[in-house]
Amino acid sequence: GAGVSQSPSNKVTEKGKDVELRCDPISGHTALYWYRQSLGQGLEFLIYFQGNSAPDKSGLPSDRFSAERTGGSVSTLTIQRTQQEDSAVYLCASSSAVNTEAFFGQGTRLTVV
Amino acid sequence: RKEVEQDPGPFNVPEGATVAFNCTYSNSASQSFFWYRQDCRKEPKLLMSVYSSGNEDGRFTAQLNRASQYISLLIRDSKLSDSATYLCVVYPGGSYIPTFGRGTSLIVHP
Repeated sequence: GAGVSQSPSNKVTEKGKDVELRCDPISGHTALYWYRQSLGQGLEFLIYFQGNSAPDKSGLPSDRFSAERTGGSVSTLTIQRTQQEDSAVYLCASSSAVNTEAFFGQGTRLTVV
Repeated sequence: RKEVEQDPGPFNVPEGATVAFNCTYSNSASQSFFWYRQDCRKEPKLLMSVYSSGNEDGRFTAQLNRASQYISLLIRDSKLSDSATYLCVVYPGGSYIPTFGRGTSLIVHP
């Protein structure tokens, strides 16, 4: 009965390094979303996975960002050559069907120094 | 015009007050609507769905006005613990991606 799980909770990395953020959605949820939230800002959509369909990558801010979802379950968001403007909370959410409520993980707070 | 717009507030109200927030959306074909609550440095959590007929959950009432393209959230008898940011969420017509408003900040004081 676990909710959405994200790891790590916090990540401090040096500018220019690559980072991987992990999301384990609620079991059976076919839809998975990544958002990011900068301090004091709203949620910015990044990428959407639905079942085995091709992901909607329309929100990725640059080609340094990529994500995959293996076996229709766990997802990894990778940021290459991190920049200071990448510092934010990265939130993952999943839902059981389209147009239904999404449930969020606790987020990964990324700090690029 | 942004897809989902909210008054950022803050709304500063005393305990026991009634407060209402509105959220407007631009896509007339939008189908699903929700209110989320986000506490400081926490993830958003579902507060309630918004149905065409309106719905109530204890002190909270949500309504949808399709003609004017807005949803509302009414909180009665405000508690200190209601202090949070309230996010309006809309699934725009033709999209499976929930779009979040920037949120309305509520501060309930003694």
